[in-house]
Amino acid sequence: AQKITQTQPGMFVQEKEAVTLDCTYDTSDPSYGLFWYKQPSSGEMIFLIYQGSYDQQNATEGRYSLNFQKARKSANLVISASQLGDSAMYFCAMREPGDNFNKFYFGSGTKLNVKP
Amino acid sequence: GAGVSQTPSNKVTEKGKYVELRCDPISGHTALYWYRQSLGQGPEFLIYFQGTGAADDSGLPNDRFFAVRPEGSVSTLKIQRTERGDSAVYLCASSLSARGDTQYFGPGTRLTVL
Repeated sequence: AQKITQTQPGMFVQEKEAVTLDCTYDTSDPSYGLFWYKQPSSGEMIFLIYQGSYDQQNATEGRYSLNFQKARKSANLVISASQLGDSAMYFCAMREPGDNFNKFYFGSGTKLNVKP
Repeated sequence: GAGVSQTPSNKVTEKGKYVELRCDPISGHTALYWYRQSLGQGPEFLIYFQGTGAADDSGLPNDRFFAVRPEGSVSTLKIQRTERGDSAVYLCASSLSARGDTQYFGPGTRLTVL
C-alpha cells in the first residue's frame, strides 16, 4: 500500500486566493511526523512545515498551515494568499520509526500553478 | 549558514560508464540520506548514513550502486556500468540526527545516461 497519497497531480489557483493541497497517509505506528516540501523548477526541495503525530494543534508557518485530521489520516497543506512564486511541485512526506532511523516516504507530488 | 551542496549539478554519461556523485551536508549534521527522483515522482530512498557507516542501504536498486562517507561528512554515491534507466535526479539530504529531525535537501544532481 502507498504510504503517502497525493491525489491531485495538478492544481490551479488565482493569485491572492487560498488553496488546499491534499495528502493522506498510511501507518500503523502511533509516532510519526508529516512534512510538506516545495520543489521549484530549480529542483531543490524546500522544507515548508512539519506536524508531529502527537501535536494537538495544527502546524502553521507564515502563509502555510497544515490541516491535520488524525482519524482520517490526512495532512492537507493550506496556502493562504497565493503568490506567483508559489508555483512549484509540492510533496507531502511522512517520517515513521524504523529499526535504526526514521524512514521518510514521499508522495508523487502536486504541481501548483498560480495564475496572475 | 551553508546548506547541503551537491556536485555536479548535471552529469551526462554513456551507457556502461562509471559515475560518482558528491554530497556535502550541512556542517554538524550526522545523518545523511540519498534519494533518487524520477520524472514526475517523489523522491525514493536509497541509502542512509549515520556518521561514517551505512545504517540502511535497503533502497539501493542493485549492486551497481554503492555509497561511502569515509569521514562522516562528505558522501559519494557511485554507480557502475550505468544504464539508461539510471537517468534521474539524485538528491542528498542531511539532518541533525537520525531521530526526530527535519531533512534538508541539496539541489540534486541530474544524471542522464545516453
